[in-house]
Formats: sequence, structure tokens, C-alpha cells
Amino acid sequence: AQSVSQHNHHVILSEAASLELGCNYSYGGTVNLFWYVQYPGQHLQLLLKYFSGDPLVKGIKGFEAEFIKSKFSFNLRKPSVQWSDTAEYFCAVNAASGTYKYIFGTGTRLKVLA
Amino acid sequence: GEEVAQTPKHLVRGEGQKAKLYCAPIKGHSYVFWYQQVLKNEFKFLISFQNENVFDETGMPKERFSAKCLPNSPCSLEIQATKLEDSAVYFCASSQSQGGQPQHFGDGTRLSIL
Repeated sequence: AQSVSQHNHHVILSEAASLELGCNYSYGGTVNLFWYVQYPGQHLQLLLKYFSGDPLVKGIKGFEAEFIKSKFSFNLRKPSVQWSDTAEYFCAVNAASGTYKYIFGTGTRLKVLA
Repeated sequence: GEEVAQTPKHLVRGEGQKAKLYCAPIKGHSYVFWYQQVLKNEFKFLISFQNENVFDETGMPKERFSAKCLPNSPCSLEIQATKLEDSAVYFCASSQSQGGQPQHFGDGTRLSIL
């Protein structure tokens, strides 16, 4: 069955700490991968995406993610978090061909302490 | 417009009543997706459209749920005879074209069934 797993449900960090959020997927075929952020009271915003090519992708706000095909993983990283990064983070996958519906992970709630 | 516009923001219905939600996709986007978010983190795909045609309805409950995207009108999601379990936030998203382009999300409609 198609699924996306985010193992860290809640993460608490101090400002300037490094961040890595895990995302693993189970999906037959070629996939596109996405990370979205949802700030309190706001809609989902795209942080970054991977379609093909360089497996290390850079997104907005200093975030990056690495696609490791052999591990079916697409972990999100940021070298130094800020208080304003407090939000919920969702990993999503869809098929590179097909109906393009997203399969979402259950999200990781990040709290950054000032 | 440049944003996906969902109305209303909040909708309260008594059990058994009808609920209708609306979504105006970003101008020029061909695909519209509906997702249901329950328990604040789990997204479930409901249905997608390519222009006014149903593209994928594999997530739609067979009974009570229906959706349309008609030309020159907002898309709609309608729930007949609502049940307590329909309480959720319903998100609409749109994307430009095939090839797994990122989906742009609206702010969601919070549906509360009393």
C-alpha cells in the first residue's frame, strides 16, 4: 500500500539548533516528493520539491532536503532554526505519472524555543 | 486570482443537514484537488478534477459526498445528510498541469457537525 511515514511527531529545539525531520515513503514507481509547512492558522505552503536530477534540493527559508532512493527517504534539514520556524511540517508524495493525488505523512510539529 | 480561495472559513451544521463548500482555484490552473484533514494532522484525498471533468474519485465516500467543477463557477463539495464523523477541515488545492506540479492550497473550510 502507498504510505508516507514521518517518525518524529513532536520536535522541540532551541534557536540555532540544527533540524532534521524524517520522511520515508512506500510507493511503487517513480515519485515526486514535497515538503510543506503549515504555520499556525495558515494554509499549507510549499517549502521544496523533488522531481528528478540532483537529489539534494534547496527550498525557501534555508530549508533543504535529500532524496535517497535506496532508503526511500526524503529528509528535511535546516542548519540553524529560528523561533519563526515553529510550525507543522508535512511530507507528501505523488506519482510522477497518474492522478497526482498526494499521499501525506501525518506531520511533525516543531516548536522552537527562543 | 493568485491564491486558492475557499469559502466559507467555518461551517456549522446539525447532524443530518446538508453542507456545501466552495473553492476557487488559481486562475490558469487545470487541476483541483479536495482533501479532508481529520484529527488536525491526517490528510485524506477525496477527489480531483481536470478542468470540469472528474480526474480521480477514488477517495470519495460512495454515499452522501458529491463534487463539481463547472466552467466559470467555483468548484464545490457537497455533503448530504451530514454525520458527526464528517467534522474536519476540508482543503482544496490546485495545480497547473500534469507532471506532478506542486499543489497550491487554500486556507481550508472547518466543518463542524453538531
